[in-house]
Amino acid sequence: GAGVSQSPSNKVTEKGKDVELRCDPISGHTALYWYRQSLGQGLEFLIYFQGNSAPDKSGLPSDRFSAERTGGSVSTLTIQRTQQEDSAVYLCASSLLGRDMMAQYFGPGTRLLVL
Amino acid sequence: SQQGEEDPQALSIQEGENATMNCSYKTSINNLQWYRQNSGRGLVHLILIRSNEREKHSGRLRVTLDTSKKSSSLLITASRAADTASYFCATGETGANNLFFGTGTRLTVIP
Repeated sequence: GAGVSQSPSNKVTEKGKDVELRCDPISGHTALYWYRQSLGQGLEFLIYFQGNSAPDKSGLPSDRFSAERTGGSVSTLTIQRTQQEDSAVYLCASSLLGRDMMAQYFGPGTRLLVL
Repeated sequence: SQQGEEDPQALSIQEGENATMNCSYKTSINNLQWYRQNSGRGLVHLILIRSNEREKHSGRLRVTLDTSKKSSSLLITASRAADTASYFCATGETGANNLFFGTGTRLTVIP
């Protein structure tokens, strides 16, 4: 079946503008994760959704970042008033269940550049 | 914050040689996973080893886990040019919702 998809692949924006990044998880996966990866670095956890439970937002770096997951499927990560330090690759992953024993399946990422 | 640290940061070998990458972590874990990343894009899950396991194999991959030393190693045997990528370890902690990723090892396999 189809894997995790993300759009857009690349996004260039001006400082101060808002951006929306989209993630379509694997069908049937109840858990969805957002990570951020800066150049040459590991992955930084941002937010986690599991079914209808309240999301774990503990990794969001500031209140400019928010995310939604509608209908338990598609998720949108929104960054308001973007800053240059927000430039990174934003990766979405899903897993069958939201437990740490499960493998996560990653999308190709959205490369965000804030000028 | 990142949990694991990979060693070495970069590794360059000839095709056909074995590649060994190490990962150290700091806290108690339920499992440890290894992922591969090409060209800074999406990660591909390679293998998961549970905290009560010591060794696991998958094709040309062999993973070991030593919970007393809080370390793991990934061995790729008979490397191929196509194995060139960054390899990350990620730990699953008890009660945590997310994986904690290390900074990765950049492997280059020279044809």
